[in-house]
Amino acid sequence: GAGVSQSPRYKVAKRGQDVALRCDPISGHVSLFWYQQALGQGPEFLTYFQNEAQLDKSGLPSDRFFAERPEGSVSTLKIQRTQQEDSAVYLCASSLDQVEAFFGQGTRLTVV
Amino acid sequence: DQQVKQNSPSLSVQEGRISILNCDYTNSMFDYFLWYKKYPAEGPTFLISISSIKDKNEDGRFTVFLNKSAKHLSLHIVPSQPGDSAVYFCAASLGPGDKLIFGTGTRLQVFP
Repeated sequence: GAGVSQSPRYKVAKRGQDVALRCDPISGHVSLFWYQQALGQGPEFLTYFQNEAQLDKSGLPSDRFFAERPEGSVSTLKIQRTQQEDSAVYLCASSLDQVEAFFGQGTRLTVV
Repeated sequence: DQQVKQNSPSLSVQEGRISILNCDYTNSMFDYFLWYKKYPAEGPTFLISISSIKDKNEDGRFTVFLNKSAKHLSLHIVPSQPGDSAVYFCAASLGPGDKLIFGTGTRLQVFP
């Protein structure tokens, strides 16, 4: 497809379970961002990749959060030992350099 | 500390009239500002942007105004249409392509 694709769309995890969220950016887009959107809030920055290099991970809330983009295309956001406060929509966005970012539909994570 | 603020959580406007959505920011280093539109169960969609060197940018029915001295920007939609009903997010960054700092959003409802 032509847009940013995220999978799964919905994920229910038991507290303590590990989860992996996938992002397929628009082909050729160098920059890739992950954001977390809690209910009733705006998206909050988690981490940024330029190609395969993770240039900014200042927004990751704890060391339980880990992101990778090994070949500079698909990215995975992994959350270990999920907690209830991790429940949110996780948004991936990609862009060419110096222009606006295009967002995927997001993955809604619910931790029970 | 919310660096980008949208103080109106909701706005209701009659079809054909003007919608004005407001946004304030605190960081004077922000250099690039964007508006995103979000429908339920979808990711944010880019609408319009403005660089800090400009005070106005227009694209069809959408105009963004920037007042740097007041650290304020606004989005004008005229004429408003029912399809414009969505949540609108204001976002700011240190430059085009940089990570985005979002406001909490304003829900716009356009009624016939």
